[in-house]
Amino acid sequence: AQSVTQLDSQVPVFEEAPVELRCNYSSSVSVYLFWYVQYPNQGLQLLLKYLSGSTLVKGINGFEAEFNKSQTSFHLRKPSVHISDTAEYFCAVSESNDMRFGAGTRLTVKP
Amino acid sequence: NAGVTQTPKFQVLKTGQSMTLQCAQDMNHNSMYWYRQDPGMGLRLIYYSASEGTTDKGEVPNGYNVSRLNKREFSLRLESAAPSQTSVYFCASSSGPGFYGYTFGSGTRLTVV
Repeated sequence: AQSVTQLDSQVPVFEEAPVELRCNYSSSVSVYLFWYVQYPNQGLQLLLKYLSGSTLVKGINGFEAEFNKSQTSFHLRKPSVHISDTAEYFCAVSESNDMRFGAGTRLTVKP
Repeated sequence: NAGVTQTPKFQVLKTGQSMTLQCAQDMNHNSMYWYRQDPGMGLRLIYYSASEGTTDKGEVPNGYNVSRLNKREFSLRLESAAPSQTSVYFCASSSGPGFYGYTFGSGTRLTVV
């Protein structure tokens, strides 16, 4: 069965610094991978997704993620963060009909 | 705005009471899902409906029932609420299988006392 592990529950970072949020997955078949963002008191919004093809995926708000099949990872990166990036980020994996989410990483951007 | 609409946004129940959470989407999506979100546990799938007329259990179905009323609506029912069901509930929809990506509602914050 598919599962996702987000390696950091909280990541504090200063404004304009780079950030990486780590995600590892397990699955017995080909998977589709996603990153979602949740701002306070809101639902989840899709940041980016990997379905096939290029292993480097670009998303909204300057985020990108790299699919690494040998390491079963899908880490999210941004070269320079803003205060407005403060939110909770969820990695997710889908094999077929449903999607399983990690526990989330709270990114806090400090001035 | 087009998207997924959940009602109510907030609810307080007493232990043993019942209630139904409503979800409707206007994107003509085939698949709909109910998740619960708890601190430190991410989102866990309760039930899903891959298409109108079908429903399947997810990771944590115990204590819940669902109805796919039509293509637009997917409701979640708690027959006898328990404090362990205190959570934030999210409905989501998708045009197809999981790899299409989901559109989420804004959530229902449920407290059972």
